[in-house]
Amino acid sequence: NAGVTQTPKFQVLKTGQSMTLQCAQDMNHNSMYWYRQDPGMGLRLIYYSASEGTTDKGEVPNGYNVSRLNKREFSLRLESAAPSQTSVYFCASSDSGGMQPQHFGDGTRLSIL
Amino acid sequence: AQSVTQLDSHVSVSEGTPVLLRCNYSSSYSPSLFWYVQHPNKGLQLLLKYTSAATLVKGINGFEAEFKKSETSFHLTKPSAHMSDAAEYFCVVTGQGGKLIFGQGTELSVKP
Repeated sequence: NAGVTQTPKFQVLKTGQSMTLQCAQDMNHNSMYWYRQDPGMGLRLIYYSASEGTTDKGEVPNGYNVSRLNKREFSLRLESAAPSQTSVYFCASSDSGGMQPQHFGDGTRLSIL
Repeated sequence: AQSVTQLDSHVSVSEGTPVLLRCNYSSSYSPSLFWYVQHPNKGLQLLLKYTSAATLVKGINGFEAEFKKSETSFHLTKPSAHMSDAAEYFCVVTGQGGKLIFGQGTELSVKP
């Protein structure tokens, strides 16, 4: 009963390096989301995908790109990492057409030096 | 614009005593409201949601919340705290286009 799986769990990058965070869900959900969580700021939506083949910007998309590879997978890419992108990243999914994620992964803790 | 304010950044209770986590919201229309819980090093889990049906909403693990339009509040309560309730709790309101707007979180500590 995996739910939403994120890899890696931890990563340290140097400024300017690139990286892709992976996310997969096994619940046949249509919608998937990427959030970042920073201390005292709750969660902020980076990008979301309402269905396979579609992606839309969220609240804080700058510096990120996403790919909805298929219904199961939704990846987040940092092309040129910056220290301001140090954060905990959460992938989530839902079976509803709205914007309310139901299931979250355990997060990827990303540090950029 | 929609916004949400969690009135306490940290709440500490003793095991077996009631829990009250306070949340006020601002919305120009009838919003949907949610409470999520996050245990250490884990993702968020939906506790309960209000979507304009009954004003008293029951969630998982014995939690409930009451929507009070006159007070623009959606406080989370539980009659008796358990050690496993220690976590961070987020109050959330729907914003433009149905996107979620998160509060800053309330950390709940439960003392034995």
